[in-house]
Amino acid sequence: GENVEQHPSTLSVQEGDSAVIKCTYSDSASNYFPWYKQELGKGPQLIIDIRSNVGEKKDQRIAVTLNKTAKHFSLHITETQPEDSAVYFCAASDKDNLFFGTGTRLTVIP
Amino acid sequence: EPEVTQTPSHQVTQMGQEVILRCVPISNHLYFYWYRQILGQKVEFLVSFYNNEISEKSEIFDDQFSVERPDGSNFTLKIRSTKLEDSAMYFCASSTGTGNTGELFFGEGSRLTVL
Repeated sequence: GENVEQHPSTLSVQEGDSAVIKCTYSDSASNYFPWYKQELGKGPQLIIDIRSNVGEKKDQRIAVTLNKTAKHFSLHITETQPEDSAVYFCAASDKDNLFFGTGTRLTVIP
Repeated sequence: EPEVTQTPSHQVTQMGQEVILRCVPISNHLYFYWYRQILGQKVEFLVSFYNNEISEKSEIFDDQFSVERPDGSNFTLKIRSTKLEDSAMYFCASSTGTGNTGELFFGEGSRLTVL
């Protein structure tokens, strides 16, 4: 089955700086890569996703990149704000189910 | 905004007891899921459900587990004879499509503590 690895497990940045979280996947059949944000006491919420026919996607301060050849994808958050502090999960899917990474706890220091 | 709701938010049970976790998916969604997250670990897929039957299940979802959609709104996860290692946060999710065709909307989770 699919195995998704995520790094780093924790990340602290100063407010205004950028944050980058990286993931790798094992199954070349995976073609959908969402990113979820989990705030304390809540369920994961989709923040951005990318499909395998696209190399990069941007939504305001958030961008994702995908390298199918290397089987890795990344989340980039620019101009970080304190409200960006949360746990971020990457995931991969080939058809039916999502396989999640281990999560990155992002702390934005004011 | 429509949301997935889960009850209870926290349940404490003795080892060996049966537990039922309840979920009300978003009303026009067709695919339903249960995931679990052991403290500090990744979110793990348990089971997916479509058209009133299980469409896929993971190795974790053994005979101890069952799911049911008893009426048009609820989606339940039953854990028979709970074990200590069942302690985790259980998330219900629903979507209009399968994993790579529709966004999964997650509930806030039910924390299960087995003593």
